[in-house]
Amino acid sequence: AQKVTQAQTEISVVEKEDVTLDCVYETRDTTYYLFWYKQPPSGELVFLIRRNSFDEQNEISGRYSWNFQKSTSSFNFTITASQVVDSAVYFCALSEAQGKRGSTLGRLYFGRGTQLTVWP
Amino acid sequence: DGGITQSPKYLFRKEGQNVTLSCEQNLNHDAMYWYRQDPGQGLRLIYYSQIVNDFQKGDIAEGYSVSREKKESFPLTVTSAQKNPTAFYLCASSLTGAYSNQPQHFGDGTRLSIL
Repeated sequence: AQKVTQAQTEISVVEKEDVTLDCVYETRDTTYYLFWYKQPPSGELVFLIRRNSFDEQNEISGRYSWNFQKSTSSFNFTITASQVVDSAVYFCALSEAQGKRGSTLGRLYFGRGTQLTVWP
Repeated sequence: DGGITQSPKYLFRKEGQNVTLSCEQNLNHDAMYWYRQDPGQGLRLIYYSQIVNDFQKGDIAEGYSVSREKKESFPLTVTSAQKNPTAFYLCASSLTGAYSNQPQHFGDGTRLSIL
């Protein structure tokens, strides 16, 4: 069964600090996809990144970077030089591999989220 | 602009009442999803639909019903059988439910409370 664990419930940092949000997942599939979403106070979830299970290259996008390690089943998210606008709940999610129609394809399994607060 | 519209933003339900949450998308996406969010619980899947006229139960479907008569619309009814409906409800869509690599796009949510 698929499972995503975000052990950090809440994190508080001061602006300009670096912060890493942890994500550990469980799956029996050999092909799967991992996602990170941001939920600002307004409520909608904003897609940040997708990573497939065959691509272990780390990715950097501006102040954001992601470290995918298949050996430890982790997909951690780092914000460098955090800003107040980064304050949000961040969700890690996992989706199953392609299969037959009628299965639970396309559905996401979410972690419980990490509330990040960045203080000025 | 393309996107997902959920309405209303806030909804109150009386005891024994059914209420319907609207979700409309103009992204031409095949797949649509309903999630429930409770504090500290993350998002839990209620129902999802991979194509018009087809939908499947998620993890917490009891007390809810859906329909998918049009590609762009996926309304969720919270029935009186749902004894604890107070939550934040999020609707999402993805290009297709046939492949798991499609990111889901979310609406702004509806906050439902019991009177």
